[in-house]
Amino acid sequence: GENVEQHPSTLSVQEGDSAVIKCTYSDSASNYFPWYKQELGKRPQLIIDIRSNVGEKKDQRIAVTLNKTAKHFSLHITETQPEDSAVYFCAASSLTGTASKLTFGTGTRLQVTL
Amino acid sequence: SQTIHQWPATLVQPVGSPLSLECTVEGTSNPNLYWYRQAAGRGLQLLFYSVGIGQISSEVPQNLSASRPQDRQFILSSKKLLLSDSGFYLCAWSARVGVSNQPQHFGYGTRLSIL
Repeated sequence: GENVEQHPSTLSVQEGDSAVIKCTYSDSASNYFPWYKQELGKRPQLIIDIRSNVGEKKDQRIAVTLNKTAKHFSLHITETQPEDSAVYFCAASSLTGTASKLTFGTGTRLQVTL
Repeated sequence: SQTIHQWPATLVQPVGSPLSLECTVEGTSNPNLYWYRQAAGRGLQLLFYSVGIGQISSEVPQNLSASRPQDRQFILSSKKLLLSDSGFYLCAWSARVGVSNQPQHFGYGTRLSIL
């Protein structure tokens, strides 16, 4: 089955700096890669996703890059703000019939300090 | 717009007691439905998924079962809870659009504590 590794497990940056979180996956059949943000005690919320036919996607301060050959993808947050502090999860998905099965990384706790 | 409801929000149960968690989705039809568990400070583990009424796929052998009695209703159950069943249980849904991956959206979760 799919295995997703995520690094670093914790990341502390100063407000205004950039943050980068990296993930690798094992199953070459995976073709969809979402990123979720989870604030303490709350549900994960989808912040950005990328499909395997695209190398990069941006949404304001957030961008995701995908390298299919190397089987890794990364989340980039620029101009970080205190409200970006949360746990971020990457995931990789392949289809089983019509169901999209997500395998999650172990999470990165991002702390944005003033 | 679509909404997902999950209840209860918190639950404290004794070891050996039964469990029933319910999830319903509004504003869409024929969704894919998923149950995940998140242990404290850990990632999310897929437990079950369903592509239609009565169709359940299990990902991890365990003390839990799932059922989908209606199109937009997904239930997680156990006959006898174990201490290891403690965790944050999350229901999620995704649209079914041909054979393509669709984003999954999570409910607010149920925090289950076993005593």
